Parts: sequence; structure tokens; C-alpha cells
Amino acid sequence: RKEVEQDPGPFNVPEGATVAFNCTYSNSASQSFFWYRQDCRKEPKLLMSVYSSGNEDGRFTAQLNRASQYISLLIRDSKLSDSATYLCVVRTSYDKVIFGPGTSLSVIP
Amino acid sequence: NAGVMQNPRHLVRRRGQEARLRCSPMKGHSHVYWYRQLPEEGLKFMVYLQKENIIDESGMPKERFSAEFPKEGPSILRIQQVVRGDSAAYFCASSLATGELFFGEGSRLTVL
Repeated sequence: RKEVEQDPGPFNVPEGATVAFNCTYSNSASQSFFWYRQDCRKEPKLLMSVYSSGNEDGRFTAQLNRASQYISLLIRDSKLSDSATYLCVVRTSYDKVIFGPGTSLSVIP
Repeated sequence: NAGVMQNPRHLVRRRGQEARLRCSPMKGHSHVYWYRQLPEEGLKFMVYLQKENIIDESGMPKERFSAEFPKEGPSILRIQQVVRGDSAAYFCASSLATGELFFGEGSRLTVL
């Protein structure tokens, strides 16, 4: 089993839609969780950290379920500029940082 | 406050030559990570270093690849006797002891 798995995608959604991405991780000792976005041929950039209580940043909401080892990202009112690959990232207790394979999102006019 | 600096941004090598990729972490960051991204694929962990120590190199190919992070100067990813399959984007990231990673813009290696 891969250490971090994500929805395979791609997701093609119209502007204004709500889209949800799912991620699971295998190491129960993982300590920190993040969502990054990567635009084509660019470096990954932090979108948001994920906290146990869940957290929201504008149109983006992240949830963490430690018991199920599951992380989610919800994007509301999708914009064209949201088109990118979204990466689920897990940092283990020994500081190894693992990226999921990514889920591609295309927001269509 | 400069971010993570990688150079060269683009490197072309012929098969059998050596490639050296450099990464200067953000100021105050002591943790450096190297990732490789093949075309149309995800980021693959290669190695995690702290100053003068390799902490985890489980993602490094057993041969031809090496990494260092000396007491002074940037972290270096070295690929000896490059082959076409080494063509990829190599991203470096740095962090504090905890928290998120900050990435450089990457070094794109092309092997002819």
C-alpha cells in the first residue's frame, strides 16, 4: 500500500462548482498534514495546513480524521484559477515528508 | 528574506557526464529535502538531510546518486554518469524542525 493515496482524478468541473478531494495515509504515527497545489511545471506551493479540528481559509476547507487516517479538501465556488494539481502531504514523526500522487483539477468556464 | 534558491534552473548533460544541483535553504532552515518529478508524474521523495547529516536516503537510487549538506554552503545533489532516464525536474525544499516545506523553483535536467 502506498504511504499517501489520493483520488486519481482528473476532476473537470464548471466554474462555481464545489469539489472535494480525498486522501488517505498509511502511517498512523504521522503528525502533520498539508495540502499543496502545483501548477504545470512549477514548484509546489502550500495551500493550507490541516488541523485536527478542521480549518477553513476562504473558499477552502480542510478536514482531518486521525482514526480513519483520512484527509479532505473542499473547494467551494470554483474559479478558473483553481485549476492545478492538488497534493496531499504527510509529515511523519521522524520528519519524512511524503507527497501523494496528486489530483488534477480543471475548472471549465 | 530570500526563499529556497536552486541552481542551475536548467542543465543539459550528455550521457555519462555528471550533474550537480545546488540548493540553498531559506534562512534559518536546517532541514533540506530533495524530490524528483518525472514528466507527467508525481513528486518522489529522494533524500532528507540536516547539516552534515543524511537523515533518510530511502528514496535515493543505490548507484550514481549522492547528496550532501555541508556545514557551510548549499546542499548538493550529485548524479554521476547520467542516463536519459535521469531527465526530470529536481525540487529542493527546506523547513524548520516542524511545519511546512518551502520549495525552490526546481532544476530541470535534460540528458541527451
